[in-house]
Amino acid sequence: NAGVMQNPRHLVRRRGQEARLRCSPMKGHSHVYWYRQLPEEGLKFMVYLQKENIIDESGMPKERFSAEFPKEGPSILRIQQVVRGDSAAYFCASSPRAQEQYFGPGTRLTVT
Amino acid sequence: GEDVEQSLFLSVREGDSSVINCTYTDSSSTYLYWYKQEPGAGLQLLTYIFSNMDMKQDQRLTVLLNKKDKHLSLRIADTQTGDSAIYFCAESILAGGFKTIFGAGTRLFVKA
Repeated sequence: NAGVMQNPRHLVRRRGQEARLRCSPMKGHSHVYWYRQLPEEGLKFMVYLQKENIIDESGMPKERFSAEFPKEGPSILRIQQVVRGDSAAYFCASSPRAQEQYFGPGTRLTVT
Repeated sequence: GEDVEQSLFLSVREGDSSVINCTYTDSSSTYLYWYKQEPGAGLQLLTYIFSNMDMKQDQRLTVLLNKKDKHLSLRIADTQTGDSAIYFCAESILAGGFKTIFGAGTRLFVKA
């Protein structure tokens, strides 16, 4: 059983471009979480999704950020019109139940 | 409010025990976790404890929970250089699904 997969591992975008981060949960996991980690900081919760539903998006910035977890395919975190402050590591975690979360290796976004 | 606090650094000698401490504020926590993060990698779930337990032991790891004081600790016996990493304490609270709040992480340095 492969672990949580995230791609790309590294993403460079210019200011104003769009960033799309993908997360494939572990087989059989229907819960997906996205977190952001700024340098030298802990993880900040962004959004919690189940298949086709956003359960809790209280950590998502109100503008430019969106997330989806379609019936088929990976979960996508989309950041429109990126700014330098969006540079961070974005981690996805998946879970078979709500409490145990298994993390992917992360996508490191650099905005130039 | 939701807050998880940890000391930022801990340095121990190889072979000694390490104790990493964490305090949390939300009394409705259901699960408390310890994660390990090595440089450039995602988070690895080390262990977790239900909020109605006092202690959990798993090989070299011992987790102690003092629910009255909202204090969680992770003891690593016979610490090895390979244990050098950042250790994150986290709590899950039930808020429309489980929401996980992370501390800023404790950097453990193991000296040979």
